[in-house]
Amino acid sequence: AQSVAQPEDQVNVAEGNPLTVKCTYSVSGNPYLFWYVQYPNRGLQFLLKYITGDNLVKGSYGFEAEFNKSQTSFHLKKPSALVSDSALYFCAVRDWAGNMLTFGGGTRLMVKP
Amino acid sequence: DTGVSQDPRHKITKRGQNVTFRCDPISEHNRLYWYRQTLGQGPEFLTYFQNEAQLEKSRLLSDRFSAERPKGSFSTLEIQRTEQGDSAMYLCASGREQPQHFGDGTRLSIL
Repeated sequence: AQSVAQPEDQVNVAEGNPLTVKCTYSVSGNPYLFWYVQYPNRGLQFLLKYITGDNLVKGSYGFEAEFNKSQTSFHLKKPSALVSDSALYFCAVRDWAGNMLTFGGGTRLMVKP
Repeated sequence: DTGVSQDPRHKITKRGQNVTFRCDPISEHNRLYWYRQTLGQGPEFLTYFQNEAQLEKSRLLSDRFSAERPKGSFSTLEIQRTEQGDSAMYLCASGREQPQHFGDGTRLSIL
């Protein structure tokens, strides 16, 4: 069975500072990895994905993520946080053969001015 | 691109009643997914359609739940004899391959 762990319920960062939101996964075979963001009372917005290729993936709104196969991690990063980045962030995994996404429990990002 | 549309946005009902939700996917997307999200948790997969065929169902989808996608376009999710534990956000997503694009969900509250 596939699983995702987001070890931090909340991450606090000052505006302008770099941010990291952590994600580790477990899946059979090669993983498909995703980050989504959710604002209050809204659905999930796609940020970026890793399917194959370069381990550093660039996505929307200046976010990027690094795939690390040996550590089974896919941490989300941004060089300079904005107050408007404050939201709930979800990491998700899919195995190569399946269709369903398995999500982590989410990490609330708070960016303070 | 009009996005994934879900209706209604909010539904309040009494325990024991039946409810039906609708999802209109992005028009060229052949794959459609339903997820359930409870407060403070990540979404959990319920079921998946490719065109009109329902190809995968989670064990979370009890006999009281049924989903359809006639003609491979919009989909409906029906819950019969609702229970308190059904209170959640029901999310629909669509895609051709990856990623899945999500709607804003239907929030179900059971009185």
